[in-house]
Amino acid sequence: DGGITQSPKYLFRKEGQNVTLSCEQNLNHDAMYWYRQDPGQGLRLIYYSQIVNDFQKGDIAEGYSVSREKKESFPLTVTSAQKNPTAFYLCASREPGGGSPLHFGNGTRLTVT
Amino acid sequence: GDSVTQMEGPVTLSEEAFLTINCTYTATGYPSLFWYVQYPGEGLQLLLKATKADDKGSNKGFEATYRKETTSFHLEKGSVQVSDSAVYFCALSPNQAGTALIFGKGTTLSVSS
Repeated sequence: DGGITQSPKYLFRKEGQNVTLSCEQNLNHDAMYWYRQDPGQGLRLIYYSQIVNDFQKGDIAEGYSVSREKKESFPLTVTSAQKNPTAFYLCASREPGGGSPLHFGNGTRLTVT
Repeated sequence: GDSVTQMEGPVTLSEEAFLTINCTYTATGYPSLFWYVQYPGEGLQLLLKATKADDKGSNKGFEATYRKETTSFHLEKGSVQVSDSAVYFCALSPNQAGTALIFGKGTTLSVSS
């Protein structure tokens, strides 16, 4: 079955360390997205990519970086510059067109202490 | 800019009660509208969608009608079950290529038997 795989499900890091969250999709979608979810905050857009080798900042890109070297993969790096990195991170993809829904992975819960 | 406002929770109901979760939006043009559901520790799943005014999306007993005159997309279900307990998100997709979905803050539904 096609879908989006995020790994790992839980991730623990010490403050000051960079950490990379994996996102892989086999849906053949061009567009991929990273959202951050905090209690009571809904989903906030970090970065998105419409095509390989291109990506755009979302609403809360500071302290994060991404790459899009392959259509299937869109890893997110949480850098030490991110002031409050503990959160639930969701990766998603979709087909072109405003009416197309997002397909989500099961998320990675990052805890930084 | 575009935005989504949904009623704050939590919403607490008894099994077989009627459910309404309000969602209103602000957008230029004619966005597509979505409802997603999230179970604990998981990603978001598409529940239903509507892509133009007066469209009704429906799935698993849930319904929502795209009302352009009131800029609303309220979620309804005639008889909730304990298994419907989850967080529900309303979202819009601007009618522009290369844009991301914008989400409301989510409404937690708790159904007791």
